[in-house]
Formats: sequence, C-alpha cells, structure tokens
Amino acid sequence: ILNVEQSPQSLHVQEGDSTNFTCSFPSSNFYALHWYRWETAKSPEALFVMTLNGDEKKKGRISATLNTKEGYSYLYIKGSQPEDSATYLCALVLAGGTSYGKLTFGQGTILTVHP
Amino acid sequence: DSGVTQTPKHLITATGQRVTLRCSPRSGDLSVYWYQQSLDQGLQFLIQYYNGEERAKGNILERFSAQQFPDLHSELNLSSLELGDSALYFCASSATGGFTEAFFGQGTRLTVV
Repeated sequence: ILNVEQSPQSLHVQEGDSTNFTCSFPSSNFYALHWYRWETAKSPEALFVMTLNGDEKKKGRISATLNTKEGYSYLYIKGSQPEDSATYLCALVLAGGTSYGKLTFGQGTILTVHP
Repeated sequence: DSGVTQTPKHLITATGQRVTLRCSPRSGDLSVYWYQQSLDQGLQFLIQYYNGEERAKGNILERFSAQQFPDLHSELNLSSLELGDSALYFCASSATGGFTEAFFGQGTRLTVV
C-alpha cells in the first residue's frame, strides 16, 4: 500500500497569515508530485506538478518545494485570504511497474481562513 | 470549466442494479483516471487508462469494470450495486499520464437505495 501522508489534517488561520503544510511520501521510484486545490462543491484543480529534486514552483501567493531524496513537499500560502479556504491535496506518481502513471492522493489538508 | 465532461451528474438506483458512468476527457488528453470519494473519505483510485489500454489498477471491486474507447471517452460500469457503493465518482484526464496535471470532471453522485 502506497502511503501519501499530509499534515496537518486541518488548519485554521486568520486573514493575512502565512501558512504551510506538508506532503510526505516514499522516496523510492519517485516520478512526480502533484498539488491540487479542492474547493467545496467543486472539483479538484491542479496547482503544480513537480518532478525534480529541489523543484520550486510559484503561482501568485502559493508556492511549493520538493525534496525527493527525503520524500516530502511543502506548500506555502503567503498572506492567506478567505478565498484560499479549501482542501489542498497532494498526489504521488511512481515510476515503473504496475503503478506507473497512477496518481495516488493523500487525504488532504483542510484550510480555513477566517476574515 | 475543466473540459472534462461526466454524465450523468446524479444517479439514484436500487441495490442490485447496474449503472454506467460516462466520461469525456479534455480534447487531446490520452489518459483517463477514475476515482471514488465516499463519505468522509479521500479520493480512492480505481483505474487508469492510457490511449485505450488499462495502465494502472487500484482497489477496484470485481463488480466494477471500465474501458476506454477509440474516441478516448471512458465508461465505468458498476454492477450488483450495494448501499456502500453510494459515493461521488470522479473522472480526470491528463495529456500523458502522471507527468502532467490532471483535469477533473464535476463528478457523478451515485446514490444506492
């Protein structure tokens, strides 16, 4: 069983706070790591796809880093806004074998930003 | 709009019945994924197709089957339905598989009564 762990499970912050959460995964046979934002009553939307150790990606106030050797990725949100409230999911893709191409999602971090 | 179309949006059926969920991927995307989201659960991977061929399989029940057709649309067939099969079923597509972002449809809400 492939374990993709996300922490914390939920997070409450005030508007304007910066926050970050973690995605941990097995480091062997790494191929790609995805981040998605999932708003209530909508479908998940991709934020980033990262493939190389040391990758850093940024989209507006959201950024992500990747460490494939130790098996973790961080997602950062700078100056959180109420519209950032959502569940943030990471998904791992392994190379080779019967899991090749399979997107395995973590349970997500639920972020609530209070005005 | 992600460009991925799932039909129907809602489905209510009785135990023991069979249903078919349909997914049309984004234009040009070769890979289709199916996920199940049950109450208070995350996205559980069911199966992935790439250009008509099954690529990866998750913990998909034997009562469930899927296929991807030559025009790249995909169908998920659920048979001998049980109450526990009630869930939101998502389809997602991507250009090449795990190396590129996945685009999700709006989901099909299945209720088994």
